[in-house]
Amino acid sequence: NAGVTQTPKFRILKIGQSMTLQCTQDMNHNYMYWYRQDPGMGLKLIYYSVGAGITDKGEVPNGYNVSRSTTEDFPLRLELAAPSQTSVYFCASSFEAGPGYTFGSGTRLTVV
Amino acid sequence: ILNVEQSPQSLHVQEGDSTNFTCSFPSSNFYALHWYRWETAKSPEALFVMTLNGDEKKKGRISATLNTKEGYSYLYIKGSQPEDSATYLCAFISNFGNEKLTFGTGTRLTIIP
Repeated sequence: NAGVTQTPKFRILKIGQSMTLQCTQDMNHNYMYWYRQDPGMGLKLIYYSVGAGITDKGEVPNGYNVSRSTTEDFPLRLELAAPSQTSVYFCASSFEAGPGYTFGSGTRLTVV
Repeated sequence: ILNVEQSPQSLHVQEGDSTNFTCSFPSSNFYALHWYRWETAKSPEALFVMTLNGDEKKKGRISATLNTKEGYSYLYIKGSQPEDSATYLCAFISNFGNEKLTFGTGTRLTIIP
């Protein structure tokens, strides 16, 4: 059982570069989420999706974009990386608001 | 923006002692409360999902209670062991229909052998 798979695990970007953080789940969950975790700040929701073709902004969406073309995949795109986007990013999925979220292992991103 | 607060921020407990900590959340428009355990360098793992006022859930030495009328939940750990060292997160879902979790900042628990 793979669960939620995130790639890459680590990445260093230069200011202004772009990249896509990949997230795939094999549990047929309809809900997927992207969070960022900053020290002392807890998990902040960036974007979420309640099903293929549907996405919505969370608490901190600026500087990010998402798409949900399939149930399994929910990539997070950074177009013009900024130092403020240095963080650990977690993807999660759930079956509606059911038995808790399943989290990926995280992507540690540093923008220099 | 929903306010979910956890206290204390950090806690050191002697091995074998019992402990508890608190999660406060809005008492109106309640839908569900989640507790997660988050070990360093790993991802959060769901412990409990609680939906009814007065709910009590238990998993081994860890249990949780829920009071939706006053907006708080307690997590209890009985007979703490070193493997209990982790950050414990609570998260709240309102019944506005968007079903996304708002997380507290967590309680970091360290068990002293």
